[in-house]
Amino acid sequence: AAGVIQSPRHLIKEKRETATLKCYPIPRHDTVYWYQQGPGQDPQFLISFYEKMQSDKGSIPDRFSAQQFSDYHSELNMSSLELGDSALYFCASSVRTGEVTEYFGPGTRLTVT
Amino acid sequence: RKEVEQDPGPFNVPEGATVAFNCTYSNSASQSFFWYRQDCRKEPKLLMSVYSSGNEDGRFTAQLNRASQYISLLIRDSKLSDSATYLCVVNEKYNDMRFGAGTRLTVKP
Repeated sequence: AAGVIQSPRHLIKEKRETATLKCYPIPRHDTVYWYQQGPGQDPQFLISFYEKMQSDKGSIPDRFSAQQFSDYHSELNMSSLELGDSALYFCASSVRTGEVTEYFGPGTRLTVT
Repeated sequence: RKEVEQDPGPFNVPEGATVAFNCTYSNSASQSFFWYRQDCRKEPKLLMSVYSSGNEDGRFTAQLNRASQYISLLIRDSKLSDSATYLCVVNEKYNDMRFGAGTRLTVKP
């Protein structure tokens, strides 16, 4: 079965650089979520989109922005990167009918040096 | 206080043992509940949803007690492959999944 696709899988950036992470949800899923997971931490919710509109906002820094496109893929844009942004970034998708179960992508490991 | 609390463990058990994880949540309006499994450096994967009536999937049994705001996961006949971190997840509304910090399980031969 098709799963959530994220790219790139690994990314190394320097401080103050920018990064763009991409997420392709499971086909026919209408909601995308972004999470940040630091070393030894549980995933922290950043932001979500439903039908291409931002639907909820969590602990996303102002330096980050995201959007969902007409084909439902989503991009997380991160600027002025800091060392503390080094983490695993997971995208998850779900469909807003019945029980809302999120399915996670494999994650993008971002290292800021 | 964190919205979803779990005993972080680690739980170290021998193969074949039965182990139980507990989780409490603070928002009584929470709507749905899940257990996810996360292997080291991998994404969380849905293990099972949790229903008030309790549900079982093979060696795994999940229970929900809404009155006590408590969720449990029981693993019977532990296998080496069960070694992972188990995340309790509570969905407060459509776009608001709250994760527990996870309970680390190691099953030893």
